[in-house]
Amino acid sequence: QSALTQPPSASGSPGQAVTISCTGTSSDVGGYNYVSWFQQHPGKAPKLMIYEVTKRPSGVPDRFSGSKSGNTASLTVSGLQAEDEADYYCSSYAGRNGWVFGGGTMLTVL
Amino acid sequence: QVQLVESGGGVVQPGGSLRLSCAGSGFSVRGYSLHWLRQAPDKGLEWLAFIRHDGSDKNYADSVKGRFTVSRDDSKNTMSLQLNSLRGDDTAVYYCAKDRDWTYEDWGQGTLVTVSS
Repeated sequence: QSALTQPPSASGSPGQAVTISCTGTSSDVGGYNYVSWFQQHPGKAPKLMIYEVTKRPSGVPDRFSGSKSGNTASLTVSGLQAEDEADYYCSSYAGRNGWVFGGGTMLTVL
Repeated sequence: QVQLVESGGGVVQPGGSLRLSCAGSGFSVRGYSLHWLRQAPDKGLEWLAFIRHDGSDKNYADSVKGRFTVSRDDSKNTMSLQLNSLRGDDTAVYYCAKDRDWTYEDWGQGTLVTVSS
């Protein structure tokens, strides 16, 4: 059982927007602005897409955006493209407990 | 180009030990905090260990505390993870990653550890 809760799957048609949620507690997501999102294609290492809740590393399309409200963080992918189909994981700093992950969400582009 | 390369994976019997290495390429690990993470077959990601840039602080997930030990050798541009008392549920791809603002910015390609008799 993962520390953070994500829906196991999400889907959308090309061009649409989809939002993936990540729910934790006041000890992790709600307590720190250190929530990150990762994209992982099959057989590949994860790739950082969002860090510090809303920031995008260089090279990540601005179609990817992050937000947080209380103990729930969200990743929104706008203008869905075929190459966005992947697994997405959220992670949060949790103080002396280190870092925690969500169980992952499989995003399908219909 | 920043690269991290893990090595040392393999097949080990339950109760056995293994030492994983993570080598930095294209950058100096000196001055960077580093992480170890893993992913069991067809499962999600799990953070395992953190070592601060100066080695002054280490932190471990409860699942590996007391069994795994992280260390670094900046002179060799490497980080290591000593895995002891291995169990079947330790079977996974092990990744090292470079920290950026309390997250994992750059990842290696991973090294597979299989615990089996």
